[in-house]
Amino acid sequence: GAVVSQHPSWVICKSGTSVKIECRSLDFQATTMFWYRQFPKQSLMLMATSNEGSKATYEQGVEKDKFLINHASLTLSTLTVTSAHPEDSSFYICSAGGGLAGYEQYFGPGTRLTVT
Amino acid sequence: AQKITQTQPGMFVQEKEAVTLDCTYDTSDQSYGLFWYKQPSSGEMIFLIYQGSYDEQNATEGRYSLNFQKARKSANLVISASQLGDSAMYFCAMREGRRNQGGKLIFGQGTELSVKP
Repeated sequence: GAVVSQHPSWVICKSGTSVKIECRSLDFQATTMFWYRQFPKQSLMLMATSNEGSKATYEQGVEKDKFLINHASLTLSTLTVTSAHPEDSSFYICSAGGGLAGYEQYFGPGTRLTVT
Repeated sequence: AQKITQTQPGMFVQEKEAVTLDCTYDTSDQSYGLFWYKQPSSGEMIFLIYQGSYDEQNATEGRYSLNFQKARKSANLVISASQLGDSAMYFCAMREGRRNQGGKLIFGQGTELSVKP
């Protein structure tokens, strides 16, 4: 199956700083990527849909100025958590779909963010 | 609006026995897809099985089968011959639209499965 990578796999940052998470489709072109957030023992919540070459579509309740998404190419989307606070600590997972991926969504391994 | 419901927060099963994980959904679309994912403690999401709304046969993938009852809007996952490695969180998810559209997924609350030796 198709491979999606995320970097970093985990990060610890201080409150007030910004953190960038990368999501790459390694062997296919992803016209659409999705960003999810997952708190411990909870489900995945969709944050935004990222389309190559256009602005991301955010789900209701997600602050677009805080969670900046850029889909610069068909293989790379980035999520930047700006001015991070402890409540932003979570597991962030991206997935890639569309293009050659067909009906499946291929998930990245996730990034665990801890804000101190 | 789309909704996925998993009513079993946790399930136990004896090794080598079969187990059914429940999933019901709600959508006004005629075209949609239903997915099951496994999430072990490492956090990675592992795709298990897919059922399209127009698929007449229930999907099967090895030890996994999906009991699709369209009229009841249910898509239960059946795992046969449980193994210790099956212990994980299991999520049911739905995507509206045709199978090649790669649309967003809405997830259920998840079921934590524990397999006993």
